[in-house]
Amino acid sequence: DVKVTQSSRYLVKRTGEKVFLECVQDMDHENMFWYRQDPGLGLRLIYFSYDVKMKEKGDIPEGYSVSREKKERFSLILESASTNQTSMYLCASSILTVSSYEQYFGPGTRLTVT
Amino acid sequence: SQQGEEDPQALSIQEGENATMNCSYKTSINNLQWYRQNSGRGLVHLILIRSNEREKHSGRLRVTLDTSKKSSSLLITASRAADTASYFCATDAEPRGFSGGYNKLIFGAGTRLAVHP
Repeated sequence: DVKVTQSSRYLVKRTGEKVFLECVQDMDHENMFWYRQDPGLGLRLIYFSYDVKMKEKGDIPEGYSVSREKKERFSLILESASTNQTSMYLCASSILTVSSYEQYFGPGTRLTVT
Repeated sequence: SQQGEEDPQALSIQEGENATMNCSYKTSINNLQWYRQNSGRGLVHLILIRSNEREKHSGRLRVTLDTSKKSSSLLITASRAADTASYFCATDAEPRGFSGGYNKLIFGAGTRLAVHP
């Protein structure tokens, strides 16, 4: 079974803090993704990566950065957390493929910024 | 941008009844996928239907795809309380023929299904 794990299920941070969200997958997948999920808006793609040290902006990259130093690990960084970044953050991974394929999701991190 | 939009936003039924959720999308697609999310958890892939397929079954799930109407439906037959979850459709974000392989998906806002015992 593919396992995608995220470092925390719940996180509470203060405005202005630097926040690291970690995601690890164990299936040697090339693609990894970070989404945020807000009520009524579904999932929105923040960043994705298709290889080590490679990253591409998604639909809402502002206020976020990412790091992929190893194939299995993809980190989302909030440089200076703000209250509007309070959300559920979901990490996913998938194989590199010419046509769309299923994505495997982690359990999510519910981040609250106060 | 939101490609898939689910309808209805919320659905409440009794155990044993069938549940039908619909998804509409705007641009041409290669595939359409359905995912389930239990409350406060990650998404789980249910089924993928390719643009050249019209219907697909998996257990109690039946998915149809009408590319002329740019719509898909997910039918859950003989629903159970354990089917209570949010259901999302997702379409590939890249135009037909793109070979980048990034597997970007665009998700709709989801349908919240409540199945009452």
